[in-house]
Amino acid sequence: QKEVEQNSGPLSVPEGAIASLNCTYSDRVSQSFFWYRQYSGKSPELIMSIYSNGDKEDGRFTAQLNKASQYVSLLIRDSQPSDSATYLCAVKSWYGGSQGNLIFGKGTKLSVKP
Amino acid sequence: NAGVTQTPKFQVLKTGQSMTLQCAQDMNHNSMYWYRQDPGMGLRLIYYSASEGTTDKGEVPNGYNVSRLNKREFSLRLESAAPSQTSVYFCASIFLSGSVYEQYFGPGTRLTVT
Repeated sequence: QKEVEQNSGPLSVPEGAIASLNCTYSDRVSQSFFWYRQYSGKSPELIMSIYSNGDKEDGRFTAQLNKASQYVSLLIRDSQPSDSATYLCAVKSWYGGSQGNLIFGKGTKLSVKP
Repeated sequence: NAGVTQTPKFQVLKTGQSMTLQCAQDMNHNSMYWYRQDPGMGLRLIYYSASEGTTDKGEVPNGYNVSRLNKREFSLRLESAAPSQTSVYFCASIFLSGSVYEQYFGPGTRLTVT
């Protein structure tokens, strides 16, 4: 069974700080990795995808991937109260047909305090 | 462009009743998925459809059936609802182009079975 592990939190950071969210995965052949944000009572929203080792930046968000360590992280700079949500890490697995499927972690709840 | 839509938003069923959850997407995606999300369990795949005319079981298919009515619509049916099926159900459609794989979620259906 392929697994994606996240610290459930809650992770609490002050406004303006950097929030660091971490994720590990078990499937060594995975090539595609994603971060979703889910506000309470809402559906998951794709915020970042990363396919290569290293960093990928998009505005205040940076995704980091280390395939050798099977580790993905998401950094949120200048955290805002509106970033308070649950962040889901997802890894593409080849289970689920030729195009694969996503295996989701259980999510880390982030709280940004004003 | 509505993206992925789901109906109904909320539903309460009695044990043994049946119902169909509807999902439609207007993004011309080939693949569509049904998930359930439970506290502490994360998102789990119920069924998926890689293309019009095909459906396959996911991680937790028992108690459910699906129909891929056409490219736009993918429905999930509970034939005889059980309290264990109380959950939030999300439909998703997948954009796939080369190595790019993006999964977009509908707003969800909150189902309670008493």
